[in-house]
Amino acid sequence: DAKTTQPPSMDCAEGRAANLPCNHSTISGNEYVYWYRQIHSQGPQYIIHGLKNNETNEMASLIITEDRKSSTLILPHATLRDTAVYYCIVRVATNTDKLIFGTGTRLQVFP
Amino acid sequence: DADVTQTPRNRITKTGKRIMLECSQTKGHDRMYWYRQDPGLGLRLIYYSFDVKDINKGEISDGYSVSRQAQAKFSLSLESAIPNQTALYFCATSDPGRGGDTQYFGPGTRLTVL
Repeated sequence: DAKTTQPPSMDCAEGRAANLPCNHSTISGNEYVYWYRQIHSQGPQYIIHGLKNNETNEMASLIITEDRKSSTLILPHATLRDTAVYYCIVRVATNTDKLIFGTGTRLQVFP
Repeated sequence: DADVTQTPRNRITKTGKRIMLECSQTKGHDRMYWYRQDPGLGLRLIYYSFDVKDINKGEISDGYSVSRQAQAKFSLSLESAIPNQTALYFCATSDPGRGGDTQYFGPGTRLTVL
């Protein structure tokens, strides 16, 4: 079973920031938070991951609460090409287990 | 050029036929995976391999077999295809270094079994 809870869908205006929340209240101390996205039937694409600290890369920012029970993925300037299903996943780094994708959040960016 | 490639991209076959899906990667990763995705569902792991001599079953390995021919190549076979194996199949690679085990996915193979 997925260890995360995400809203099923969200809308965002093009050019605005998209803030995608994720709850992971049972996260363990050695589990990372990963974000992937899947654009209509394409292979899932890695976005970002973090353990405790906030992270930023060229695609997005990841904000993890101090108690690590929730996080937010931020796409600072959403474009139409960001329309996709976004998956929040928690897992131990170097773990041999599968990625459990859950149902994710379907983000629709509109003009 | 894509780091993870899959062939074929689309395949229609008949029940009982043997099918091989191929995956190649240029990322230099030791770990490779095969997943399937059914409409509206997440990905489920079929098999994974941590190096050329290592093969492990995932959660839905029945009806499938794999071959790790080299570090860069990982093939998935359906010995006798059946209609409920109709799905989107993804290959992925990963490298557990640098504090994470990010997986990189291929573009997928859409398989239809009639």
